[in-house]
Amino acid sequence: KNEVEQSPQNLTAQEGEFITINCSYSVGISALHWLQQHPGGGIVSLFMLSSGKKKHGRLIATINIQEKHSSLHITASHPRDSAVYICAPRKDFGNEKLTFGTGTRLTIIP
Amino acid sequence: NAGVMQNPRHLVRRRGQEARLRCSPMKGHSHVYWYRQLPEEGLKFMVYLQKENIIDESGMPKERFSAEFPKEGPSILRIQQVVRGDSAAYFCASSPPSGRAANEQFFGPGTRLTVL
Repeated sequence: KNEVEQSPQNLTAQEGEFITINCSYSVGISALHWLQQHPGGGIVSLFMLSSGKKKHGRLIATINIQEKHSSLHITASHPRDSAVYICAPRKDFGNEKLTFGTGTRLTIIP
Repeated sequence: NAGVMQNPRHLVRRRGQEARLRCSPMKGHSHVYWYRQLPEEGLKFMVYLQKENIIDESGMPKERFSAEFPKEGPSILRIQQVVRGDSAAYFCASSPPSGRAANEQFFGPGTRLTVL
């Protein structure tokens, strides 16, 4: 079983829809990144969070450490949000490396 | 403040040649991580370095791969005698010195290695 599970693997939605991507992990963590990767492109760190909730523009990320679960939400989705979104927990303190989910491929149709 | 820089962005090598990938971390960052993304696969951790030290190389293949982060200059990921299976995107990330509870990693644009 993978240490990090994301769902859904693929998501297609109409422009303007509210999007939710989920991430469950089985390891103890000190923090979790949400990353965005456009096709053939680089990786952008959207959020790093270790508790509660963070908001940046139309993006919201939440984490529940006890339940080992995090979600990424996109409000008023737009075609330019089409990308792969990757959940990346960082293990316990003192172990800095990231583990990665398989990613959620999001396509927003105009 | 420039972000994480990687060069070259694209690298083509023939089987048996050496590949050198460079990563310059963000200013003030002393931690560097290398990750690999094989075609149609997810990202995988390779190695974590601090200045002049390898902290965790548990993700590095046992042979042909090495990494360094010298006191001066960029971090180098070196692949000797490349094979077609080494074709991948190699991403570098950096973070500031420890001391904070959780240090955010910032990613470079990646080097896309193609082995012919």
